[in-house]
Amino acid sequence: DQQVKQNSPSLSVQEGRISILNCDYTNSMFDYFLWYKKYPAEGPTFLISISSIKDKNEDGRFTVFLNKSAKHLSLHIVPSQPGDSAVYFCAAINQAGTALIFGKGTTLSVSS
Amino acid sequence: DTEVTQTPKHLVMGMTNKKSLKCEQHMGHRAMYWYKQKAKKPPELMFVYSYEKLSINESVPSRFSPECPNSSLLNLHLHALQPEDSALYLCASSQESSLTSTAGELFFGEGSRLTVL
Repeated sequence: DQQVKQNSPSLSVQEGRISILNCDYTNSMFDYFLWYKKYPAEGPTFLISISSIKDKNEDGRFTVFLNKSAKHLSLHIVPSQPGDSAVYFCAAINQAGTALIFGKGTTLSVSS
Repeated sequence: DTEVTQTPKHLVMGMTNKKSLKCEQHMGHRAMYWYKQKAKKPPELMFVYSYEKLSINESVPSRFSPECPNSSLLNLHLHALQPEDSALYLCASSQESSLTSTAGELFFGEGSRLTVL
């Protein structure tokens, strides 16, 4: 049973518009969440994280929002660029704090 | 240098073969990980190595055997694998074993694509 869920396998957005990637989790004990980005033939790279004591964290064009009551987080990319086309993984740090639990990923395609 | 190096990038093996995947990091990181990723599935944790101690996901079959020659190397020995073990094997490292102290940042290698015939 998946503890981190990304229900949209893919998302297509035009360059310059906003991309919104969604993620849900089931374990209310999770208190740290992350987004990773993966290009083909490369390993995932860390993008942005958020602690459960916050509801928003921003880094340049990337903003992550956390809604603890809904057990939901989202990644906003504004403005989207063709170079943002990749697979985006949502992840949570496990309760022991020793490993990441990943969602299945969402493939973002940004067209110019 | 923020690189995690995995070799080989591609490996094809038969079910009776013995092979190894190698992973190396020179960032002085204290924890290293092996993840397995099948198509359209999330990466799944197999092993964690930190402070000279190996933690094993109990669901990982014994045909996968990790080895830590030193703090910068984490190998994965493969023996008598099954076709369903074909997957992308990702190695990662983190500065500390407690991921909450590092904002959960793992540094991943490019992966080793394994095909078992």
